[in-house]
Amino acid sequence: AQSVTQPDIHITVSEGASLELRCNYSYGATPYLFWYVQSPGQGLQLLLKYFSGDTLVQGIKGFEAEFKRSQSSFNLRKPSVHWSDAAEYFCAVGLMEYGNKLVFGAGTILRVKS
Amino acid sequence: GAGVSQSPSNKVTEKGKDVELRCDPISGHTALYWYRQSLGQGLEFLIYFQGNSAPDKSGLPSDRFSAERTGGSVSTLTIQRTQQEDSAVYLCASSLESASGPPRQYFGPGTRLTVL
Repeated sequence: AQSVTQPDIHITVSEGASLELRCNYSYGATPYLFWYVQSPGQGLQLLLKYFSGDTLVQGIKGFEAEFKRSQSSFNLRKPSVHWSDAAEYFCAVGLMEYGNKLVFGAGTILRVKS
Repeated sequence: GAGVSQSPSNKVTEKGKDVELRCDPISGHTALYWYRQSLGQGLEFLIYFQGNSAPDKSGLPSDRFSAERTGGSVSTLTIQRTQQEDSAVYLCASSLESASGPPRQYFGPGTRLTVL
């Protein structure tokens, strides 16, 4: 069955430090991968997506993610975190053969300390 | 332009009552999805509508849950005889149809349901 694992429930980083949020997926076909962010009281916002091609994808707000097929991973990175990045981050797999529904990971809550 | 809207934003109900949650997708979006976000379960898919096709109901947790989409636009998620475990945030998303990869889904702010 398709699944997405985000092994870190909480992560705390200092403002200005680099960030990496981990995501591993289990899926038999070519994955379509997404990262979403959910700020308190806000809806889910798409940060970036990977369909094919260049395995390093750039997103909004200075985020990037790298698809590594050999590791079944799609980790999210940011070189310098801002206090406004504090939010919950969700990795997801899009299943085209199932009507494009998304299977989400459990989420990682990012805290930024000043 | 207007995004996906959901109403009510909060709903408190008593166990055993029925509730209806509404979703207004972005105008022109042919696909509509319902997800549920609950503590300990994360975000889970409930149901998907695409155009005039039969909906994909594979994620509905029980027969107390149903959804309809009228006129290819507004959708209503109905939960009958609510239980405490139904307490969650119910998210709606809509998208255009895409021929090249999964389309971007735009999410609404959600309805927080609390069953007492």
